[in-house]
Amino acid sequence: GAVVSQHPSRVICKSGTSVKIECRSLDFQATTMFWYRQFPKQSLMLMATSNEGSKATYEQGVEKDKFLINHASLTLSTLTVTSAHPEDSSFYICSARDQLGLGGRETQYFGPGTRLLVL
Amino acid sequence: AQTVTQSQPEMSVQEAETVTLSCTYDTSESNYYLFWYKQPPSRQMILVIRQEAYKQQNATENRFSVNFQKAAKSFSLKISDSQLGDTAMYFCAFMTPSTRSQGNLIFGKGTKLSVKP
Repeated sequence: GAVVSQHPSRVICKSGTSVKIECRSLDFQATTMFWYRQFPKQSLMLMATSNEGSKATYEQGVEKDKFLINHASLTLSTLTVTSAHPEDSSFYICSARDQLGLGGRETQYFGPGTRLLVL
Repeated sequence: AQTVTQSQPEMSVQEAETVTLSCTYDTSESNYYLFWYKQPPSRQMILVIRQEAYKQQNATENRFSVNFQKAAKSFSLKISDSQLGDTAMYFCAFMTPSTRSQGNLIFGKGTKLSVKP
């Protein structure tokens, strides 16, 4: 149980294009999902909190118009990197909070991550 | 603001031996959650163990156990009978209940653990 999928696992795109990353909780409902960015050999940096049916909450310094988040259902959140540039190249990870506490209350489970390379 | 500190950037242990990873945190909250996550070379974040602050009993999961010292704000992870598959980056994380915050995790910088044959 408590599996989170993320798609695609790896994407290469040209500068100026947009890329959509999907995060799905496969066997539990998640009203809240989180998007992180991780640079090599560093910890995870929270980008935004995605709430089902409402606007995402962005961390300071994260451009909401560049990183569009949509949480349309209890099992799906998407992150769209708009007009991607080489500096957006990174490893993006999502997590979903298990609301019902099947694995323990408030526990977050992570997707496998998406490696984005912008040329 | 809450902070999480992992003072050991890198550690190594021989296979079958025991190793302890340290983590300290700072908070003024009385109720919170603490976690250890493992990130192997695949970069998939895997939950190792969780602790609820109001529970005095230390959490255990098979070979993994914690030493939770609430007054000292310390949350160390002990790995017994280390296996090669335990080689990974280990992150300590703190979370305030979602009823009092947006429920995001606050991570330490991580400890890179290498298990040697």
